[in-house]
Amino acid sequence: NAGVTQTPKFRILKIGQSMTLQCAQDMNHNYMYWYRQDPGMGLKLIYYSVGAGITDKGEVPNGYNVSRSTTEDFPLRLELAAPSQTSVYFCASRPRDRDGETQYFGPGTRLLVL
Amino acid sequence: AQSVTQPDIHITVSEGASLELRCNYSYGATPYLFWYVQSPGQGLQLLLKYFSGDTLVQGIKGFEAEFKRSQSSFNLRKPSVHWSDAAEYFCAVAWTGGFKTIFGAGTRLFVKA
Repeated sequence: NAGVTQTPKFRILKIGQSMTLQCAQDMNHNYMYWYRQDPGMGLKLIYYSVGAGITDKGEVPNGYNVSRSTTEDFPLRLELAAPSQTSVYFCASRPRDRDGETQYFGPGTRLLVL
Repeated sequence: AQSVTQPDIHITVSEGASLELRCNYSYGATPYLFWYVQSPGQGLQLLLKYFSGDTLVQGIKGFEAEFKRSQSSFNLRKPSVHWSDAAEYFCAVAWTGGFKTIFGAGTRLFVKA
């Protein structure tokens, strides 16, 4: 049982490049989330999904896109990378039924945009 | 709007000393409350959570937290800190039927020998 996995662990992008951050979970969780973490700012929700084919914006969705074609995968797409997107990105998941809304986190992807 | 406040950006304690990290939330009803810990370069790990019942909750690694409804607080405590407890700690709030969890800004704990 791998839990929540994220790839890559670290990436450097040039301004204007695009990339996809991968997230997968093997716990059959319905809900999945993408957060970004900036120093002293805690976690900000970018997008979330309540099931395959259903996604919605969080607090800071601009510059990002997501898709959820399967229960397991929830990739985050960055189009036209900007320095403001330098951050650590975390994917998380939780079951729909009552597990007390506990979220399970991946190890994170550190992104540097230069 | 719902919010979570962790008033201390960082705290330094001596190894063996007691610890209390503060957390206050803003929400009308009783929420679900969480404390997560993040070691350097790692993701977040759940320490403990409160849903209902006994307001004193025990967690992993010797941590406990107490829910005080009158103060809208959920402070994290540990009687004797170990050097390995140095990390960042996040308080979080969720609610029944909601999809989202609101995280505080975090408190970084430094442990000195």
